[in-house]
Amino acid sequence: NAGVMQNPRHLVRRRGQEARLRCSPMKGHSHVYWYRQLPEEGLKFMVYLQKENIIDESGMPKERFSAEFPKEGPSILRIQQVVRGDSAAYFCASSRTSTNTGELFFGEGSRLTVL
Amino acid sequence: EDQVTQSPEALRLQEGESSSLNCSYTVSGLRGLFWYRQDPGKGPEFLFTLYSAGEEKEKERLKATLTKKESFLHITAPKPEDSATYLCAVQVGGGSNYKLTFGKGTLLTVNP
Repeated sequence: NAGVMQNPRHLVRRRGQEARLRCSPMKGHSHVYWYRQLPEEGLKFMVYLQKENIIDESGMPKERFSAEFPKEGPSILRIQQVVRGDSAAYFCASSRTSTNTGELFFGEGSRLTVL
Repeated sequence: EDQVTQSPEALRLQEGESSSLNCSYTVSGLRGLFWYRQDPGKGPEFLFTLYSAGEEKEKERLKATLTKKESFLHITAPKPEDSATYLCAVQVGGGSNYKLTFGKGTLLTVNP
């Protein structure tokens, strides 16, 4: 059973370009969460999605960031007009139900570097 | 605001040298406390969930305990393969009970 798949694993963008990060949850999981890990910082919640719905995007910057989880295909985290401060590791996690057990299954992350 | 503080930031042990990692938290209405392990370049891997003060969970050389203010991850006779960053996270009750607040982690290195 494949785990949470994220791609690309590494992405380099110049300031002002767009970054698209993709996440395929574990089979049978319909809840997806995105977390960001800045250098020297802990993981920070960004957004929680279910199929075709954004449940909570309170951790996501209001400008330039968006997320979706369509009926078919992976969840996508999109960052427009990237800036150097967006350089971080972005982790996707999934769960079968809304996780009241805290057991999230994480992908290996997408590491974004903004030049 | 919910806060999670882990100490020490880094810990070096010799193989077989037991020790403990600390996670202190300040939250309103703790629903659960969680420990994860993260290897370099990988995503976090779930270890334990603790729900109430006095609860303990064990897995191989690891034992997690919980009080009303903090949690400890005890490592007994560690081996080099236990080297990793250990993350603590809390979950509060209410409408946002899916959201985890993580500490910055403790980087554990076990030398052979």
